[in-house]
Amino acid sequence: GAGVSQSPSNKVTEKGKDVELRCDPISGHTALYWYRQSLGQGLEFLIYFQGNSAPDKSGLPSDRFSAERTGGSVSTLTIQRTQQEDSAVYLCASSVGVGETQYFGPGTRLLVL
Amino acid sequence: QKEVEQNSGPLSVPEGAIASLNCTYSDRGSQSFFWYRQYSGKSPELIMFIYSNGDKEDGRFTAQLNKASQYVSLLIRDSQPSDSATYLCAVNVAPGGTSYGKLTFGQGTILTVHP
Repeated sequence: GAGVSQSPSNKVTEKGKDVELRCDPISGHTALYWYRQSLGQGLEFLIYFQGNSAPDKSGLPSDRFSAERTGGSVSTLTIQRTQQEDSAVYLCASSVGVGETQYFGPGTRLLVL
Repeated sequence: QKEVEQNSGPLSVPEGAIASLNCTYSDRGSQSFFWYRQYSGKSPELIMFIYSNGDKEDGRFTAQLNKASQYVSLLIRDSQPSDSATYLCAVNVAPGGTSYGKLTFGQGTILTVHP
């Protein structure tokens, strides 16, 4: 079946603008995760969802970052008033259930000018 | 001390050799362990997972877990140039742990297999 999909694949924005990143998990996967990978940095956890609830949002770097999930499926990560340090690849993953094997999408490459 | 540490490499091996990738973790509540491969410019791709002490083999790949030593490794036999990538070790803690659910990743080991 189809894997995790993310859109857009690339996003270039100006400092101070808001951006929305979308993730469509594997069908039937109840858990959805967001990670960030900056140049030279490891994969950094941001938030995960079990259904539409977010039990752990401890990785969100600031209150400019928010995420939601609706219908137990698609998730949107929103970054308000983007800063240059937000430039990174944002990766979404999903799993059958929390703690199960996570499968990653292709990522959204965000560049803030 | 980092939660998950990998030998930073880069690791270079000749084609046909065994590549050995190592990972240590600090949280004794860790329950499940994953190895992902990441090609340059691509997203992580799952290679193997392991939950129990001992060895787990899948084709040319063998994962080894020693919970007492808090150590997990990945062996790649008969290494091929197409195995050249960054290998990421990831750890998940048991249910009830404060960081349950999320994967904690090491920094990755860059592997180069030269012909």
